[in-house]
Amino acid sequence: GENVEQHPSTLSVQEGDSAVIKCTYSDSASNYFPWYKQELGKGPQLIIDIRSNVGEKKDQRIAVTLNKTAKHFSLHITETQPEDSAVYFCAAKRDNQGGKLIFGQGTELSVKP
Amino acid sequence: DTGVSQDPRHKITKRGQNVTFRCDPISEHNRLYWYRQTLGQGPEFLTYFQNEAQLEKSRLLSDRFSAERPKGSFSTLEIQRTEQGDSAMYLCASSPRQPNEQFFGPGTRLTVL
Repeated sequence: GENVEQHPSTLSVQEGDSAVIKCTYSDSASNYFPWYKQELGKGPQLIIDIRSNVGEKKDQRIAVTLNKTAKHFSLHITETQPEDSAVYFCAAKRDNQGGKLIFGQGTELSVKP
Repeated sequence: DTGVSQDPRHKITKRGQNVTFRCDPISEHNRLYWYRQTLGQGPEFLTYFQNEAQLEKSRLLSDRFSAERPKGSFSTLEIQRTEQGDSAMYLCASSPRQPNEQFFGPGTRLTVL
């Protein structure tokens, strides 16, 4: 069935370093890939997304890359700050008229000052 | 606040009791989703509405679970005869017709004793 694998499960970096989180998906019909940030006790917050007609998208310190052939996509955070510490989830879905997101297992990012 | 709202934020109940949660989507979002999230996992899709029509249900949604969106605005999720395994965070999300990014509420944390 549909599946999204996310790695690593935990990631610790020094403030100012870069962080990279990787996901692979199984459903070749998936064409929409959002990333969410979830802080303790809160709901997931959409931070960036990418559709399959582009290979890369940037928004300030955050970027996402997509390799449709290999069926994997990655989140890149540059110049990390302590407030970036949270759990990050990737997800995938078929971007038609709606429908479910399939989430990865999450990456707990810790940015040490 | 014009985001997705959920009520209550926390619910503690005894096994066998019924519980009902409410979700108010972002105004004019015609799509509404329910997800369940257990500790250390990504959200898992439960069900999805477009306006008042329930278009998709997960196998996770047993016959003890029922969701409604009677007027195409707010939605309710009811769990009958709760079990300890129902303890989780129940998340609601909404999306507009286009583009269909999903925006999540803060969640309702259910604890079944």
